[in-house]
Amino acid sequence: GQQLNQSPQSMFIQEGEDVSMNCTSSSIFNTWLWYKQDPGEGPVLLIALYKAGELTSNGRLTAQFGITRKDSFLNISASIPSDVGIYFCAGQLHSDMRFGAGTRLTVKP
Amino acid sequence: NAGVTQTPKFQVLKTGQSMTLQCAQDMNHEYMSWYRQDPGMGLRLIHYSVGAGITDQGEVPNGYNVSRSTTEDFPLRLLSAAPSQTSVYFCASRPWLAGDLYEQYFGPGTRLTVT
Repeated sequence: GQQLNQSPQSMFIQEGEDVSMNCTSSSIFNTWLWYKQDPGEGPVLLIALYKAGELTSNGRLTAQFGITRKDSFLNISASIPSDVGIYFCAGQLHSDMRFGAGTRLTVKP
Repeated sequence: NAGVTQTPKFQVLKTGQSMTLQCAQDMNHEYMSWYRQDPGMGLRLIHYSVGAGITDQGEVPNGYNVSRSTTEDFPLRLLSAAPSQTSVYFCASRPWLAGDLYEQYFGPGTRLTVT
């Protein structure tokens, strides 16, 4: 089955920097979700997007649902050490949910 | 509200052994699913269920069985473990309203090693 194309695969940034990651697909989705996974834990939902073009914020996180319904991006502003982890995008259409391979974020103090 | 719980957290099996991974949720969600997570790959769907008594296959169902006798529980059975089933397994649940899916919540995972 087709997974989403998520990039970049990994990022090494300095504390305080902004981060941007994105997901693309050849298929359309009705919902885009962004999750964060800490080591040894399950993914935790960060942001859910339900409408094409929608821009949603959650604290320092901002995500957008692409107009074509085939992509989404996540921005993290002013990164802090606890932002470290793996970020996953997921696209959802009815009973089908697909995940990106993840972006591993490392934040240097 | 415990959310989604999974047991055990870690398990080591020998090739050919069988076992059941447990999953329970207390949010009255209709939809439950099992994923496996392998290094460098996204989560891949093994099986899912849209309600008690209803299950269906996902992307990678071979070697696994599921059943859903109650809304709360969704166990995953490995029939005859193989090294290729070494992975981290996540159970998830979400509401299922009018056929559409809403935010999905994950359990903490079971790390399985098959030797």
